Amino acid sequence: KAGVTQTPRYLIKTRGQQVTLSCSPISGHRSVSWYQQTPGQGLQFLFEYFSETQRNKGNFPGRFSGRQFSNSRSEMNVSTLELGDSALYLCASSSTTLGEAFFGQGTRLTVV
Amino acid sequence: ELKVEQNPLFLSMQEGKNYTIYCNYSTTSDRLYWYRQDPGKSLESLFVLLSNGAVKQEGRLMASLDTKARLSTLHITAAVHDLSATYFCAVGGHGGSQGNLIFGKGTKLSVKP
Repeated sequence: KAGVTQTPRYLIKTRGQQVTLSCSPISGHRSVSWYQQTPGQGLQFLFEYFSETQRNKGNFPGRFSGRQFSNSRSEMNVSTLELGDSALYLCASSSTTLGEAFFGQGTRLTVV
Repeated sequence: ELKVEQNPLFLSMQEGKNYTIYCNYSTTSDRLYWYRQDPGKSLESLFVLLSNGAVKQEGRLMASLDTKARLSTLHITAAVHDLSATYFCAVGGHGGSQGNLIFGKGTKLSVKP
């Protein structure tokens, strides 16, 4: 069974640009969550989607947005990038029963 | 607001020794998870604990959950170098949501020969 796939793995962007990250969940999983990991703040929840609906949102500015498609694939978008957005962005998918979250390899975003 | 505290944050152990990592959380939750992260890698799921008194073991690692004390422990038995990694506990958020995990800051474990 294929795991959670995130693309791209690495990105370098300039301040002020926008970026879109993609996540393909494990087949059959309908819940997709996004997390930001930085050395200073640790792992922080961004948002969760289930059946194309955002169910929860973390404490991040509106520059961070996401969506989920009918095939459960998800994208997150960050507009007007700031240096502080440099981080590892992790996507996780869950089934509707056990709730165990399986993480992808992450996208490492560097803002210069 | 749900908060999750792990201690210690750094742990240097000798091979063959035992130690315990503690995870305290501030409000009621019905789900607790332990993850392992190697440098530059993603999170690997170790244990899912869903009920009070739950105990799970895999190899040299054993996790337990006490929901009344809002405490989970990850016990390491006879540590080996391969266990060197950062270990995170995470608590399920509110509203029955599958996502919305609140993570501790992680315990960086270094096992020395």
